[in-house]
Amino acid sequence: DVKVTQSSRYLVKRTGEKVFLECVQDMDHENMFWYRQDPGLGLRLIYFSYDVKMKEKGDIPEGYSVSREKKERFSLILESASTNQTSMYLCASSLTGQGNADTQYFGPGTRLTVL
Amino acid sequence: AQSVTQPDIHITVSEGASLELRCNYSYGATPYLFWYVQSPGQGLQLLLKYFSGDTLVQGIKGFEAEFKRSQSSFNLRKPSVHWSDAAEYFCAVGVGSNTGKLIFGQGTTLQVKP
Repeated sequence: DVKVTQSSRYLVKRTGEKVFLECVQDMDHENMFWYRQDPGLGLRLIYFSYDVKMKEKGDIPEGYSVSREKKERFSLILESASTNQTSMYLCASSLTGQGNADTQYFGPGTRLTVL
Repeated sequence: AQSVTQPDIHITVSEGASLELRCNYSYGATPYLFWYVQSPGQGLQLLLKYFSGDTLVQGIKGFEAEFKRSQSSFNLRKPSVHWSDAAEYFCAVGVGSNTGKLIFGQGTTLQVKP
């Protein structure tokens, strides 16, 4: 079974702090994704990566950056956390092979609260 | 622009009753369509997906969905709901070229009455 793990289930940070969210997948997937989930808005894509050191902006990249130094690990960075970044963050990975039919496998999520 | 709309934010059904969750999409080419479920406190799990062939797709947990190109819809159905089906359900469409990128709908929360 594919396993996607996220470093924390719950995180509380202060405004202005630099925040790192880590995601690791164990199935050698090329593609990795970071989403935020907010009530009534569904999942919105922040960034994704289709290879090591490659990244592309999603729909809401402002205030975020990412890092992918190794194939299995994809980090989301909040350079200076703000209260409007309080949200649930979900990481996902997928294997390239059927183009847009690739199934995304999700981690359990990190609920971040910025005070 | 590509988009996915789930018109129902909340749905309540009685246990044993049938269920239909609606999903409409906007996409220029042949869509790849997905339904995911999120149980409380957990990540998303794939229920089923459509990318070609038979327009009626069977998934896990007794769910099925039908792709109707003329209506730009991909509605999820289950003939008899169980209490454990209470969760949030997301419809998604695959976009882009070979990136596996998805656009998700807003989600529908399903409550099951005993």
